[in-house]
Amino acid sequence: LAKTTQPISMDSYEGQEVNITCSHNNIATNDYITWYQQFPSQGPRFIIQGYKTKVTNEVASLFIPADRKSSTLSLPRVSLSDTAVYYCGAKRDAGNMLTFGGGTRLMVKP
Amino acid sequence: DSGVTQTPKHLITATGQRVTLRCSPRSGDLSVYWYQQSLDQGLQFLIQYYNGEERAKGNILERFSAQQFPDLHSELNLSSLELGDSALYFCASSVGGTSYEQYFGPGTRLTVT
Repeated sequence: LAKTTQPISMDSYEGQEVNITCSHNNIATNDYITWYQQFPSQGPRFIIQGYKTKVTNEVASLFIPADRKSSTLSLPRVSLSDTAVYYCGAKRDAGNMLTFGGGTRLMVKP
Repeated sequence: DSGVTQTPKHLITATGQRVTLRCSPRSGDLSVYWYQQSLDQGLQFLIQYYNGEERAKGNILERFSAQQFPDLHSELNLSSLELGDSALYFCASSVGGTSYEQYFGPGTRLTVT
């Protein structure tokens, strides 16, 4: 499965847009790119998933370039409650298993 | 609340012992996944079951085993425990086996002393 690499930490301020980029150079043809959010002492929670181009839902957008070697999670107008660890992962369609990178610790400041 | 339940919440045991972690998936979900999260290894996929059958295996040690029962709950058995097995163990479930988001339980924190 694809190995993903993402920044260890990021800081932002309330109301700003946050973009977290993940690289996955060896992503396979049948891998999906998926992002999860994790708060302390809780299990990860699904944010968004995509295969290529752009996907948007009510909480985030996911941009995936044509070569699929990277992806960017975009969180519009973050609030203090968005402070969490964000994991980029690859998901093999056949088995639905997830492989995650080390996660990006996002700190949103007032 | 994801709808996935895990018991126990915390477990403290000694090296060499054996423990069983239990997971109940969301109602209607057929797939169950087990993950291990440790400080140095991050979140790692261990094994997946779909409707009672093993579907995929990840970095699961031979000392570990799992099964999914007819009522779809799953158990992860960890034996001959070592200090390095101390971690958070998450169970997740999904409706099907492909292209579905996974819902994670609250985890079981295992401490091996």
